[in-house]
Amino acid sequence: KAGVTQTPRYLIKTRGQQVTLSCSPISGHRSVSWYQQTPGQGLQFLFEYFSETQRNKGNFPGRFSGRQFSNSRSEMNVSTLELGDSALYLCATKDREGTGELFFGEGSRLTVL
Amino acid sequence: GENVEQHPSTLSVQEGDSAVIKCTYSDSASNYFPWYKQELGKRPQLIIDIRSNVGEKKDQRIAVTLNKTAKHFSLHITETQPEDSAVYFCAATADFNNAGNMLTFGGGTRLMVKP
Repeated sequence: KAGVTQTPRYLIKTRGQQVTLSCSPISGHRSVSWYQQTPGQGLQFLFEYFSETQRNKGNFPGRFSGRQFSNSRSEMNVSTLELGDSALYLCATKDREGTGELFFGEGSRLTVL
Repeated sequence: GENVEQHPSTLSVQEGDSAVIKCTYSDSASNYFPWYKQELGKRPQLIIDIRSNVGEKKDQRIAVTLNKTAKHFSLHITETQPEDSAVYFCAATADFNNAGNMLTFGGGTRLMVKP
């Protein structure tokens, strides 16, 4: 079974630009969440989707948005990039309802110059 | 919202010694407490978890204890090996029964096991 796939793995943007990151979950996983990982703030929850609906949203500005498609693939978008958005963005997917384990992708490392 | 504090931020032990990492949480409604291990340059992976109706859980050299009254939980690694060197994250959520993905993570502990 293929793992969680995130693309692109690395990208460099400049301030003010926008970026879209993609996450393909493990087959059969319908729950997808996104986390931002930085050295200073650790792992912070961005948002979570299930069956194309946003279930929860973390404490991030409106520049951060996401969506989920009918095949469970998810995208997140960050508009008007700031230097502080430089981070590793991790996607995590989950098996059937009631099990706790999150399966993480390898992440998309975003650098904002 | 939930707040999770993790200590220590770095921990250095000799191979064969035990290592203990402690976390406290703020939301008394939290009902699920996983621990993730992240090796350098790799993705976080679940190593053990515990639900609020259990006080202790063990898996070979790894154990987790939960004290709901004090709102803290700990990871214990015995007979440490160099391959245990990694960053360990604790996490908590009150969303487990709703099958949610929203975890609040601690700040992480960098464990170094010296051969």
